[in-house]
This record gives sequence, structure tokens and C-alpha cells, in this order.
Amino acid sequence: DTEVTQTPKHLVMGMTNKKSLKCEQHMGHRAMYWYKQKAKKPPELMFVYSYEKLSINESVPSRFSPECPNSSLLNLHLHALQPEDSALYLCASSGGPGDNEQFFGPGTRLTVL
Amino acid sequence: RKEVEQDPGPFNVPEGATVAFNCTYSNSASQSFFWYRQDCRKEPKLLMSVYSSGNEDGRFTAQLNRASQYISLLIRDSKLSDSATYLCGGTSYGKLTFGQGTILTVHP
Repeated sequence: DTEVTQTPKHLVMGMTNKKSLKCEQHMGHRAMYWYKQKAKKPPELMFVYSYEKLSINESVPSRFSPECPNSSLLNLHLHALQPEDSALYLCASSGGPGDNEQFFGPGTRLTVL
Repeated sequence: RKEVEQDPGPFNVPEGATVAFNCTYSNSASQSFFWYRQDCRKEPKLLMSVYSSGNEDGRFTAQLNRASQYISLLIRDSKLSDSATYLCGGTSYGKLTFGQGTILTVHP
């Protein structure tokens, strides 16, 4: 089962709201990722968690705050976002932190008003 | 220069055609390479990993040339259902970087 799940599917929020995106995988993978994808662009890496520890932060603004409560779960907390943050947010997981194949969840389509 | 360069197309081909996509990469430290397929408003789905020895999965053949730093994907006998965006990607120290994506439309 190569399934990564994400909730919610869609999210509309105002610039003063606080919301969270959730990602879950039950493949026993030890690395999890957050990507941001704008229309007609490829996914861009935001964060990497390896064995539940943040290993890569691609200079993402602090209004995005990742959290890995356990090896199966990954959250992305959102606060004081800007309209330009509207995008598809994709979670992925891979067997380990190296250069393994990554499997993506269906994404959360975020609109910031 | 982008780390992974990919011709965005679009490629419009008739059913049954053979179509080839290429990507070049600039980071010689890149370790592993992949082709993903992404349908409109969906997530990228792993199509295949790419090896120097070449690998084939049905109508799809992928190839890696480390000396020239490019990867390729060949689709034979195109089907209408192959219409999608194809993304090449390379990893370096666990960071996956994608090319811009190539849009393929297969028409009857």
C-alpha cells in the first residue's frame, strides 16, 4: 500500500487565521516531506523530516511551521499567510532520508484571501 | 541555470506514436533520478526510477546518461490515457528537484 493521505482536500483561510494541514502514511517510511506547487510549476521542496527530526528547511518563511508528532504523521501549521501563499501543498514520504523514491499524497489546495 | 532543465513542450501526438522526453541536470552530485506523471489538479505519481543500465516498464523506457548528465523517457504506442504532465526529478542528499514538466497530449 503506497498511500499517503492528506487533510483537508481544500482550505480557504484569511490572512489572520491559524490553520493546520495534516499528512499521514502507514508504509513505515522514515522520511517525510512538504512541497509547495503553484499552477503550471513543478513542486518545490519546503521541509524534510528524517526519523521525526527536521533535517532540511528550504528557507521557508516562519509563517509556515512544520511538526512531526510521530513517524506516521506530519503537520504544517499556517499562520498569518499572504495571498501569494495560495498553492497546492503536497506531502510525500520515502523509505529513508537518502535518495529513495518519494510517494506523494493528493495535496491540500489552499486559498488565502 | 536551473538544476534540472526540461523542455516544457507541449507535445501533441496521435495515438500509437512514439514520443521521447529529455531532461538535463547540472548537479553532478545528483544520485538518483525519477520520472513522475502528474494529471491535472492531481499529485505527482511515480512512473519509474531511472538507472544507467536503462529500465523498461511495458511501453515506457527510461535511460540515464551520467557522462552527459541527461535522463530520458520514451513512450511507445501512445494511448489517450498517457496525456498528462511528465516531470523528471533528481535527488541530491535527499532533496528532490524537479524539472519544469513536459505536457503531453495524445489525440485520436
